[in-house]
Amino acid sequence: ILNVEQSPQSLHVQEGDSTNFTCSFPSSNFYALHWYRWETAKSPEALFVMTLNGDEKKKGRISATLNTKEGYSYLYIKGSQPEDSATYLCARRVSGTYKYIFGTGTRLKVLA
Amino acid sequence: NAGVTQTPKFRILKIGQSMTLQCAQDMNHNYMYWYRQDPGMGLKLIYYSVGAGITDKGEVPNGYNVSRSTTEDFPLRLELAAPSQTSVYFCASSPSTMGTESYGYTFGSGTRLTVV
Repeated sequence: ILNVEQSPQSLHVQEGDSTNFTCSFPSSNFYALHWYRWETAKSPEALFVMTLNGDEKKKGRISATLNTKEGYSYLYIKGSQPEDSATYLCARRVSGTYKYIFGTGTRLKVLA
Repeated sequence: NAGVTQTPKFRILKIGQSMTLQCAQDMNHNYMYWYRQDPGMGLKLIYYSVGAGITDKGEVPNGYNVSRSTTEDFPLRLELAAPSQTSVYFCASSPSTMGTESYGYTFGSGTRLTVV
């Protein structure tokens, strides 16, 4: 079982600031990476599914990039808003299986 | 369209008791998963199933059992509950391997279990 690491663990930014955080994973036998947004007292919701090296995906003010050769993905939030406050999770598929291993998440708090 | 439904939402068990956490999905998804979430530890995979009659262990299966007799239902059974099983349990589903890559998981709302 490979480890998925996310940094930072938590982050406070001011409303309007842009921010980014990292998901790192072993680069060998890469298959797919997911990003999820998890608001307090709710269940995680899928943001992005990324499969190809160099992938860049965007949803509104949130975007993500993927580097499978070096084993990392970045999530960017442009012009953070208080409603962006949540924990952002990434998950990597274990090659040859149907299992996904999650990181511990980055907890983002956007201050008004 | 209810998605993934988990019951109960909360439960307190005494040490040594047993219970079943229910998970049902109405999206005709083939793949279903059980995760537990412990503070600072992220989501850990307990068991998963790729279709009716097929289940397999995840990262932390000890103390749990599952069954998948229908596509819709994937119950998680705790036998002889222990304080270490105090956690929030999430069930998730996805349509297929390609579907998982396209859309990610759909999660249930979670079951908060306390073992005292």
